[in-house]
Amino acid sequence: DAGVTQSPTHLIKTRGQQVTLRCSPKSGHDTVSWYQQALGQGPQFIFQYYEEEERQRGNFPDRFSGHQFPNYSSELNVNALLLGDSALYLCASSLGRGGLMNTEAFFGQGTRLTVV
Amino acid sequence: SQQGEEDPQALSIQEGENATMNCSYKTSINNLQWYRQNSGRGLVHLILIRSNEREKHSGRLRVTLDTSKKSSSLLITASRAADTASYFCATVMAGGFKTIFGAGTRLFVKA
Repeated sequence: DAGVTQSPTHLIKTRGQQVTLRCSPKSGHDTVSWYQQALGQGPQFIFQYYEEEERQRGNFPDRFSGHQFPNYSSELNVNALLLGDSALYLCASSLGRGGLMNTEAFFGQGTRLTVV
Repeated sequence: SQQGEEDPQALSIQEGENATMNCSYKTSINNLQWYRQNSGRGLVHLILIRSNEREKHSGRLRVTLDTSKKSSSLLITASRAADTASYFCATVMAGGFKTIFGAGTRLFVKA
């Protein structure tokens, strides 16, 4: 049973460019959350997708957008990249049907984004 | 500021000793979870404790939750070098879906 997979593992982009990160959830999971983790810090919640809709959003600008597909996989898009967007981007999947939140989340290995 | 804050920020112990990490949070929660992260990669879920639970065990891990003090602790008994990692507490706020992580405790277990 494959866990959460993210691609790519590493990425280097230039300031002002756009980037798309991808996530496939663990089999059977229907909810995907995205996090940004700066070096030495804890993960910061970007947003969560359930039933192809953004269910909740953290304190991130509109440059950060996402999408969830019918097969529950998800993309994170970041436009107009800034140097400060350099971080590890983590995807986590969980079971969210019915609003049930007392379930553990499974994390992917992350995408290391460097903006130069 | 972050919902969960761990204490201490860093901890260095000898193999075989116990390690205790604490977490404080600010608002009512659905549950509190502890995660481990090795070398800045993906997080591994360790244990989830619901807001109506006070203590939970899993192998060498013991987690307590005090909702009146808005705090939790993670105890790792008989630590091993392989326990060296960063440990994070994460809370899901009551009525919401957003998971908020603290800044983590860096644990180093010396062989």
